[in-house]
Amino acid sequence: SQKIEQNSEALNIQEGKTATLTCNYTNYSPAYLQWYRQDPGRGPVFLLLIRENEKEKRKERLKVTFDTTLKQSLFHITASQPADSATYLCALDTCDLDNFNKFYFGSGTKLNVKP
Amino acid sequence: KAGVTQTPRYLIKTRGQQVTLSCSPISGHRSVSWYQQTPGQGLQFLFEYFSETQRNKGNFPGRFSGRQFSNSRSEMNVSTLELGDSALYLCASSPRPDRGYPGELFFGEGSRLTVL
Repeated sequence: SQKIEQNSEALNIQEGKTATLTCNYTNYSPAYLQWYRQDPGRGPVFLLLIRENEKEKRKERLKVTFDTTLKQSLFHITASQPADSATYLCALDTCDLDNFNKFYFGSGTKLNVKP
Repeated sequence: KAGVTQTPRYLIKTRGQQVTLSCSPISGHRSVSWYQQTPGQGLQFLFEYFSETQRNKGNFPGRFSGRQFSNSRSEMNVSTLELGDSALYLCASSPRPDRGYPGELFFGEGSRLTVL
């Protein structure tokens, strides 16, 4: 069966360090992978998108990698700040002709950045 | 530009009742999708509408239904509520005009439904 796995345990890091979150998937062939941030009681907010033929994408302090051989994406936040504390979700889009805008989400990893 | 607006934000219902949730997408976005979020299951896809047509549906029972109006506003309905329907229901709009381009999802703040 199809599965997207993110570390369910919270990730606790010190301010200024690099946070690395993992998204593993099985039985998918995603054309795109997206990362979202969700704060308590709020809807997810889009952060980054990476295509299957891209190895890495950067945006300010954020970096995403996508390894279709390992079926894994890594999400990095450099120089982390307490304001980065949130739950981060990965989402796969197969771009299947029969699955318009049907995103498959991981359960999310909660990041705690301590001052 | 106004974001995605969902109403109501909170509601409490009892088992057997029905509920209707509303979503107004970002102006110009014609794709609206709905997700259910629970602590145990995470975000689960319910359905997606584009130009008033349901293009895709997730694995939910027929008690869950939706529709989209000509102004792209969407509603979802859950009939014969069960305790397990308690969740945060999120609506997302997308500028994705057609297949082949992912487009990011713009989520609303959600409607938190509690079924007693």
